[in-house]
Formats: sequence, C-alpha cells, structure tokens
Amino acid sequence: GDSVTQMEGPVTLSEEAFLTINCTYTATGYPSLFWYVQYPGEGLQLLLKATKADDKGSNKGFEATYRKETTSFHLEKGSVQVSDSAVYFCALIKNTGGFKTIFGAGTRLFVKA
Amino acid sequence: EAGVVQSPRYKIIEKKQPVAFWCNPISGHNTLYWYLQNLGQGPELLIRYENEEAVDDSQLPKDRFSAERLKGVDSTLKIQPAELGDSAVYLCASSLGRTQETQYFGPGTRLLVL
Repeated sequence: GDSVTQMEGPVTLSEEAFLTINCTYTATGYPSLFWYVQYPGEGLQLLLKATKADDKGSNKGFEATYRKETTSFHLEKGSVQVSDSAVYFCALIKNTGGFKTIFGAGTRLFVKA
Repeated sequence: EAGVVQSPRYKIIEKKQPVAFWCNPISGHNTLYWYLQNLGQGPELLIRYENEEAVDDSQLPKDRFSAERLKGVDSTLKIQPAELGDSAVYLCASSLGRTQETQYFGPGTRLLVL
C-alpha cells in the first residue's frame, strides 16, 4: 500500500550547519508531495510542496526536489538557525485510485546555538 | 485572513465521558478534514468532508466517534464514550477542493482521558 517513510530523529545540529531530512514514498499514481513543519504547541504549517516529478519546492531557505526515479523528496537547508527547531513531516496526497493523504512519522530537529 | 479555528485547545475528561471538538475552516474552503495525531506520530485521517457530505470516513471508529458538518461550513467531532486510548491531538484542516491541494491546519485540540 501507499506509505511515507522519514528518517528517524531527533536530529541535532549546530547553528549554520547543513540539514538533510530524508523522505521516501511508495504510491501508485502521481501524488503531490509536501513538507509540513510543526512548532511546539502549534498546528502543522505548510513549508513547501511539489506536484510533479522533477519539481523543486522551496521556502525560507528550505528545498526539496520530487524525484520519481528514487521515490524521494528529501528536505535540505544550507544553514540552519535555532528558530528552525521543530518537527518536520513529509506527506503525500493523491487522488488517483481513491483519495489518500499520508503523513510520515515526523523528524524532530534541534538546532543548538 | 483567519486560519482554521479549533476549540477547545485542551480538554481533560474522565473515561466513559463524552467529548466534542469544534472546527471552523478557512472561509471558502469546501473540503474539511479531521485527523488524529498520537504522540510522536504523523496525523492520520479520520474523516473528510466535501461541503456537508462525508466522502471518506473509512478510518473513523464509528462505534464511538461521530462527526457532522451540517451547513457545509463548521464541523464537530464527537467521542462517546471516551476511552483512555483516545488521548491524542485532534487536528482539523481545510482546503479549497478535493484535488491534491494544500491542506491548512488548525492548532489542534489536545485531549487527555483519565
């Protein structure tokens, strides 16, 4: 069945370090892929998205490229800040063969000053 | 523009008691979703509405959970009776339509069943 797998956390980095959070998916059809971020005590906020293969989503210095050949949508940022500390969720939404929205388990990021 | 509004933010109840959560989506959003988020997990879809019609409720435990969206705007999710295992965060989200569009989330209701 359809699924989303994220790297386990927590991920702990020093400020200005490079960030990669891996996300791979299994899905039939042509899903859209999303990264959401959840800050403590808040709901999920859309960080970026990509709707078709080879699309790159970007926002606030974060990027992710929809790779159909490797079924991946890894999140990257060149220089993290303390304020990036949060939980990051990879998700897919598809509407072929029935509507589905599937979230990964989330990856907690800690950034130290 | 106001985001998705949920209330209450926190709720503590005794097991076997009823509880209800309310959600008001972003104005103009036809699709409304209720999710369950357990600690350390991603959200899991419980039910999806297109206007006032529940188009996907396959993951809703219908023996104790119910939901309604009578006028196609705000929605209520109810649990009766609540069990210890229902302790979780209940998230509401909305989107413009039923395609693969961005979902906008509310802050959630954190439920603790004692």
